[in-house]
Amino acid sequence: QITLKESGPTLVKPTQTLTLTCTFSGFSLSTSGVGVGWIRQPPGKALEWLALIYWNDDKRYSPSLKSRLTITKDTSKNQVVLTMTNMDPVDTATYYCAHSPPLPGYDHHDAFDIWGQGTMVTVSS
Amino acid sequence: DIQMTQSPSTLSASVGDRVTITCRASQSISSWLAWYQQKPGKAPKLLIYKASSLESGVPSRFSGSGSGTEFTLTISSLQPDDFATYYCQQYNSFPLTFGGGTKVEIK
Repeated sequence: QITLKESGPTLVKPTQTLTLTCTFSGFSLSTSGVGVGWIRQPPGKALEWLALIYWNDDKRYSPSLKSRLTITKDTSKNQVVLTMTNMDPVDTATYYCAHSPPLPGYDHHDAFDIWGQGTMVTVSS
Repeated sequence: DIQMTQSPSTLSASVGDRVTITCRASQSISSWLAWYQQKPGKAPKLLIYKASSLESGVPSRFSGSGSGTEFTLTISSLQPDDFATYYCQQYNSFPLTFGGGTKVEIK
């Protein structure tokens, strides 16, 4: 059974750096084709994809946020970490991490079949 | 970026109704489209991937179709558990993008 859980601060001040950790079980991020992504959702708004890291350490970022984001993985700890610098009140959102399964015949899939419960982050002074 | 446009944004329906939600891509995405269901305060749940493949464990009343730029999610007979917000997501190219959502409400 695959599970993911996000952890990190619930409140950050403007200009601070946010560090979120996704701790997962039930799969290995060293398995070919597997990825873990981060997606956020401001209150009452739609989903926004942020970043994705693959089993081979390939990384993808949202171009609009690329300068502020870093995604890393620790395969031995079954964790993926997302850092976002220079936080602003508009970054207030629920942040989700999610599992991207392999798809036979393809290098990677990029849909998300299992999501964490999400963690609400408020940016306010 | 590929823009994903869902319609309608809100849909009022009754239990037993057949419901169709449309998602249009600003350029061709082949069949690289997923549909998710989200209930208030919960994480999204994958329903359909690769435009028409039903995720394991998802009821067969859900179906997806389309390719290129136009896609539909159909619920053949709406059940009480189906009142939720539905999102499409393209994964043909980066950045991955989601539609604005369709809220299915009780009529």
